[in-house]
Amino acid sequence: SSELTQDPAVSVALGQTVSITCQGDSLRTYYATWYQQKPGQAPVLVVYGQNNRPSGIPDRFSGSSSGNTASLTIAGAQAEDEAEYHCYSRDRTGYYYVFGTGTKVTVL
Amino acid sequence: QVQLQESGPGLVKPSETLSLTCTVSGGSISSDYCSWIRQSPGKGLEWIGYISYTGTTNYNPSLKSRVTISADTSKNQFSLKLSSVTAADTAVYYCARGPYHEYSDYWGQGTLVTVSS
Repeated sequence: SSELTQDPAVSVALGQTVSITCQGDSLRTYYATWYQQKPGQAPVLVVYGQNNRPSGIPDRFSGSSSGNTASLTIAGAQAEDEAEYHCYSRDRTGYYYVFGTGTKVTVL
Repeated sequence: QVQLQESGPGLVKPSETLSLTCTVSGGSISSDYCSWIRQSPGKGLEWIGYISYTGTTNYNPSLKSRVTISADTSKNQFSLKLSSVTAADTAVYYCARGPYHEYSDYWGQGTLVTVSS
């Protein structure tokens, strides 16, 4: 089982705000990276570091962290945001890396 | 635009070695962290490991005894070898690169490798 735990699924009404969480001891020390993955496609980087977005990622995506929990917030969710979201960070040793269990986001 | 493409056999026999190559175009890997990630059917992502631009490698401890990642900067390619494969190694294998090991900003499309006799 992964050292980074995510809720399996969340849903959000179109245009509303949703936060996806990632919990793990290593997150007290290290930032989480967030990837979006749509069915049959490769993951896409959406947030990294303290709260950085690659070019082309809408500013409705933002990241934050508190204690052992990292969060990805989608403010004003759009239909195209429906996807699986994976967090990624170091494991509790701080040397290796691990992905979270993934959260399926459904936009209603 | 940086693009990555995985190549290699789609079918590997049990106990043999899985070998994949990632060819990078549109940018040099000479200052990158090059990673391999896999995803078993219907499952989450699993970090396999990376090789840095200095040649330093870091592998998932659960796979460490079977994994080798290498790079050929002259060809702008990096490779994965996973030995003694079993059906549990059946997955889509992705290559990815990034400026730091904390994240990968470009990924290949992924290639399905099935382990079966």
